[in-house]
Amino acid sequence: SQQGEEDPQALSIQEGENATMNCSYKTSINNLQWYRQNSGRGLVHLILIRSNEREKHSGRLRVTLDTSKKSSSLLITASRAADTASYFCATGGATNKLIFGTGTLLAVQP
Amino acid sequence: NAGVTQTPKFQVLKTGQSMTLQCAQDMNHNSMYWYRQDPGMGLRLIYYSASEGTTDKGEVPNGYNVSRLNKREFSLRLESAAPSQTSVYFCASSVEVTNYGYTFGSGTRLTVV
Repeated sequence: SQQGEEDPQALSIQEGENATMNCSYKTSINNLQWYRQNSGRGLVHLILIRSNEREKHSGRLRVTLDTSKKSSSLLITASRAADTASYFCATGGATNKLIFGTGTLLAVQP
Repeated sequence: NAGVTQTPKFQVLKTGQSMTLQCAQDMNHNSMYWYRQDPGMGLRLIYYSASEGTTDKGEVPNGYNVSRLNKREFSLRLESAAPSQTSVYFCASSVEVTNYGYTFGSGTRLTVV
């Protein structure tokens, strides 16, 4: 069973808009990661946020983590058609491998 | 900079046949993983190898075996394929099991008829 659940399952926006995806998880974690998967391809690591961090930025990506609510969000600013992909959160424990959620399918309309 | 290389990319098997999926990484990573991805299920961990010489079961290990041949290579074997094993299989690697991002291969699309 998945540790993380992304919300929404699907999101459609216009180019230039911001996209926000959320991830909720059940047990305590050491870190949380976000990945992107283009159709028919492997996953690409986007960002890792540790349990003692609250916010992290990477280019147009902003990730927040609220361990008290067991939730994280991924914000993509000024989205582009090339951002169209599935986005997965994955949680890692202190000694455990990553467990992935079921993903959010983002469609950015040109 | 090949990263993680998986072979083959596509395979069709008949029920009961066996096959081995190959995975190799050139990043000197210690840990390697096999996941399967099914529609609506996300990625589920089959087996992983935290370091050379060790392997451990993941969430869905039944029907599979693995071999960590050396630090670079981690293979997944289906001894007697079943239609339920139709899936896309991804190999990944990381510096260590915890606190590092994973690098994924491009996947093997397996159909069992």
